[in-house]
Amino acid sequence: QKEVEQNSGPLSVPEGAIASLNCTYSDRGSQSFFWYRQYSGKSPELIMSIYSNGDKEDGRFTAQLNKASQYVSLLIRDSQPSDSATYLCAAPMTTDSWGKFQFGAGTQVVVTP
Amino acid sequence: GAVVSQHPSRVICKSGTSVKIECRSLDFQATTMFWYRQFPKQSLMLMATSNEGSKATYEQGVEKDKFLINHASLTLSTLTVTSAHPEDSSFYICSARLGKETQYFGPGTRLLVL
Repeated sequence: QKEVEQNSGPLSVPEGAIASLNCTYSDRGSQSFFWYRQYSGKSPELIMSIYSNGDKEDGRFTAQLNKASQYVSLLIRDSQPSDSATYLCAAPMTTDSWGKFQFGAGTQVVVTP
Repeated sequence: GAVVSQHPSRVICKSGTSVKIECRSLDFQATTMFWYRQFPKQSLMLMATSNEGSKATYEQGVEKDKFLINHASLTLSTLTVTSAHPEDSSFYICSARLGKETQYFGPGTRLLVL
């Protein structure tokens, strides 16, 4: 059983600070990873995808992937109250049927004014 | 971006009845759609893969006779929860695959079984 692990939080972050979220995975064969944001009562929305070791930046978000250590992280810079949500880490369950995702439990982020 | 809709957004039913949830890709064709379930304070769990024109494939532990999936067209997949019970109350979310590496989630359907 492939595992995707996240700290459930809540992670409390002052407005304007950097939120750092971590995710570890058990399958060394995993090649791609996705970060989703989920507001309470809503479905997930894609923030970032990352396929290669290193950093990938998109606006205030930076995803980091370290395949040797089997972790992927998400940094949110200049955190805003609107960033308060649950952030889900996901990886494909198989390489031959993209879209079947294994999700982590999610990390709740609370940005305090 | 591509849009996926679900209907209804919320449904309340009595125990023992069946409920049908629709998932539509509005501006693209999706040969593959996925159905997830999310219980309160838990993450999304994949239930099944819906393939247009063929039988759905179910994840381990998901009863295929209880959760009937039909993917009759390239833009519509339906999930029917048969003989629903209170433990089936959950947030059901579909997603549609566009191309090889992109999928879009629907807004979800909240089911409450009394």
